[in-house]
Amino acid sequence: SYVLTQPPSVSVAPGQAARITCGGNNIGSESVHWYQQKPGQAPVLVIYYDGDRPSGIPERFSGSNSGNTATLTISRVEAGDEADYFCQVWDSSSDHPWVFGGGTKLTVL
Amino acid sequence: EVQLVESGGGLIQPGGSLRISCAASGFIVSSNYISWVRQAPGKGLEWVSVIYSGGSTFFADSVKGRCTISRDNSKNSLYLQMSSLRVEDTAVYYCARGYFYENSGYYDYWGRGTQVTVSS
Repeated sequence: SYVLTQPPSVSVAPGQAARITCGGNNIGSESVHWYQQKPGQAPVLVIYYDGDRPSGIPERFSGSNSGNTATLTISRVEAGDEADYFCQVWDSSSDHPWVFGGGTKLTVL
Repeated sequence: EVQLVESGGGLIQPGGSLRISCAASGFIVSSNYISWVRQAPGKGLEWVSVIYSGGSTFFADSVKGRCTISRDNSKNSLYLQMSSLRVEDTAVYYCARGYFYENSGYYDYWGRGTQVTVSS
């Protein structure tokens, strides 16, 4: 089955850019989706199809995907962005195709 | 407005059974694919099961043979029946609506989850 690898943690100072990676074999040929989860809350979709933003998600959130790495970028990070972030792809070769990365804890210093 | 509300979680002994529910509003459950996704304490997201609009169902290997997923169209609700529960099934269980387009799918709406704790 397809494996997605994320760093356990990323730290960034307020106002700086945070980059959270999601590694997978030739992930650039897949569509990657990203979720934000704050403590005690359900996940929220923040990026879909590599770089599209649902309505209500700030423009500070963007995504890219190429080669073996997809990246979620949060520009001008705010304290409220502190959360866990999960990437997800659809593995069409499997009968249970939803694959999640292990998650990255974003800490705002 | 799309909403998903889970219920039915609780404390259950190992080997026991439990049915959790997901009540949907703002869309028709039978016209969408809905999944159960769980999250063990301090862990990541784990896909558990799905029911497609056509009625096909699939399960993660970790629960296969111990869970069934069903829906009640008259109540616009989804259910996960779990049996032979294990300590490692302890998690928050979320229902989530899937969206599929151009050979990829994601979850656009999630419920708040229901806690299932398996312990003696």
